[in-house]
Amino acid sequence: GAVVSQHPSWVICKSGTSVKIECRSLDFQATTMFWYRQFPKQSLMLMATSNEGSKATYEQGVEKDKFLINHASLTLSTLTVTSAHPEDSSFYICSAQLPSHEPYEQYFGPGTRLTVT
Amino acid sequence: QKEVEQDPGPLSVPEGAIVSLNCTYSNSAFQYFMWYRQYSRKGPELLMYTYSSGNKEDGRFTAQVDKSSKYISLFIRDSQPSDSATYLCAMRRAGSYQLTFGKGTKLSVIP
Repeated sequence: GAVVSQHPSWVICKSGTSVKIECRSLDFQATTMFWYRQFPKQSLMLMATSNEGSKATYEQGVEKDKFLINHASLTLSTLTVTSAHPEDSSFYICSAQLPSHEPYEQYFGPGTRLTVT
Repeated sequence: QKEVEQDPGPLSVPEGAIVSLNCTYSNSAFQYFMWYRQYSRKGPELLMYTYSSGNKEDGRFTAQVDKSSKYISLFIRDSQPSDSATYLCAMRRAGSYQLTFGKGTKLSVIP
């Protein structure tokens, strides 16, 4: 149980275009999902916390107008990288929280590798 | 000083060896401690979590937390080539959703 999927797994886009990444919890409902970014040989850096039906909470230094997050249902959150630039190239990973009480276990998706040319 | 410190390795051991992975932290408010395994180009997979100090065992894996020293460990017994991955420690405060990760230690188990 507790499976999280992401789509696409890999995407290449041109500079200036927008890319949407989907994160789905397949066998459970997740009121809270998280978006992380991971650079090579670096740890996961939390970008934002996404709650179903409300606005996402962004971490300091993350541009909310550039990284649009929509958590429209209990099983789907999307991250849209707008006007992508080469420096946005990274590995983006989502996680979904289960359950809604301690220990707040997070289950991670397989990640999406974004390359901006 | 970073909140969570983890030696990135790489760590290379022969098959069957006991592996010891460690993290130190500075925030005494951390109460929950997790270990994740991440294969190349994949998302992290939760291996174990521990609340407060103590030990927890699951098969070949043992997690230890020493809050007085702000030090956590993951031991892998009878290591297998399939254990080759990056191991991330993570921790958080009680009542908070947010995880703080270490950089990860890359482990290679040589057949």
